[in-house]
Amino acid sequence: SYVLTQPPSVSVAPGKTAKITCGGDNIGSHSVHWHQQKPGQAPVVVISSDSDRPSGIPERFSASNSGNTATLTISRVEAGDEADYYCQVWDSSPDHMVFGGGTKLTVL
Amino acid sequence: EVQLLESGGGLVQPGGSLRLSCAASGFTFTTYAMTWVRQAPGKGLEWVSVISASGGKTFYADSVKGRFTVSKDSSTNTLYLQMNSLRAEDTAVYYCAKQISGYDSSVDYWGQGTLVTVSS
Repeated sequence: SYVLTQPPSVSVAPGKTAKITCGGDNIGSHSVHWHQQKPGQAPVVVISSDSDRPSGIPERFSASNSGNTATLTISRVEAGDEADYYCQVWDSSPDHMVFGGGTKLTVL
Repeated sequence: EVQLLESGGGLVQPGGSLRLSCAASGFTFTTYAMTWVRQAPGKGLEWVSVISASGGKTFYADSVKGRFTVSKDSSTNTLYLQMNSLRAEDTAVYYCAKQISGYDSSVDYWGQGTLVTVSS
């Protein structure tokens, strides 16, 4: 089955740029979606279909996907961005939705 | 405004059954695929099942195949997850989620979740 690999944690100072990676075999051929989950809350989609930002999500959130790595980039990080972030794809062989293990973003 | 409200969670003994419901509003229920995702305490997100917009296609994670059944009632805009032969490892918060379009598309809205605890 398809596996998505994320670093368990990323730390960044306020105002700096955070990059969270999601590795998978030829992930560039998949459409990647990113979900943010703050403690005690339900997840929220921050990026869909590789790079689309839903309404209400700040422009500071962006993403890219190529080769074996997809990357979520959060610019000018704020304390309120502290959360767990999950990448997600649909794998058609077999038909399964797959989540990465999640990355805890800590704002120093 | 899209709203997804899960219910039906609770404490159940191993081997027991439970049916979760997800009441959907704010969108045309028959146009979008719907999915169930769970999260065990302190763990990450785990996909459980998806149902196509028409209800004609369903897919399951290997960990629940043969025990869980997803369905939808378009007359009441309600998504269901029938869970049988429950195990301790099924203990989790269960989220229903709406997808952008088909079953292979992204989730765009999540419910708040309902807790299922499997324990004797």
